[in-house]
Amino acid sequence: QQQVKQSPQSLIVQKGGISIINCAYENTAFDYFPWYQQFPGKGPALLIAIRPDVSEKKEGRFTISFNKSAKQFSLHIMDSQPGDSATYFCAASYNTDKLIFGTGTRLQVFP
Amino acid sequence: DAGVIQSPRHEVTEMGQEVTLRCKPISGHDYLFWYRQTMMRGLELLIYFNNNVPIDDSGMPEDRFSAKMPNASFSTLKIQPSEPRDSAVYFCASSLNGGHMNEQFFGPGTRLTVL
Repeated sequence: QQQVKQSPQSLIVQKGGISIINCAYENTAFDYFPWYQQFPGKGPALLIAIRPDVSEKKEGRFTISFNKSAKQFSLHIMDSQPGDSATYFCAASYNTDKLIFGTGTRLQVFP
Repeated sequence: DAGVIQSPRHEVTEMGQEVTLRCKPISGHDYLFWYRQTMMRGLELLIYFNNNVPIDDSGMPEDRFSAKMPNASFSTLKIQPSEPRDSAVYFCASSLNGGHMNEQFFGPGTRLTVL
């Protein structure tokens, strides 16, 4: 029940396309859902985060869509660029200091 | 700010040897987290500290692993004896006021290879 399931494991998108990464959870107590971006050889860094009281949050080309009833949330990258090539992790937490991470999605954007 | 600092960046050792990984959190941050990243299991939380006190070590795989935080600016993760299955990238992260709804700042990681 503490797991966050992430898919796909890898994703190849052409420049200008839309990248979509999905995550699902079971624990309805989760109330904070961040996405972290990791470039090769670097540590993960916070990209964008959402709370369940909103269904969508947009920051530039990055959008989180949240479906509370389905217990799912997704990251959409519009107009994907080669510089977006990285590993993306979804995560969740509730009233604790711990983040439960998904297994990651390796995104490759080709020109 | 220099960010979270980890050393060494790469470590190659032989099975049975002791390995010590080091972390300096961002100044002023009161939470420190140790993670392990592998292809199979992704990012796993090993242990975290609040104000230098270990709060949750339920992710530490076995007694061979130990972590300390003697002061607010330094933490170590020790593996003794090391085994090939410990090969992974180990990350240290710090945050202000905890992980819930607060950004965790990750270091560059230590890539450990146990032969």
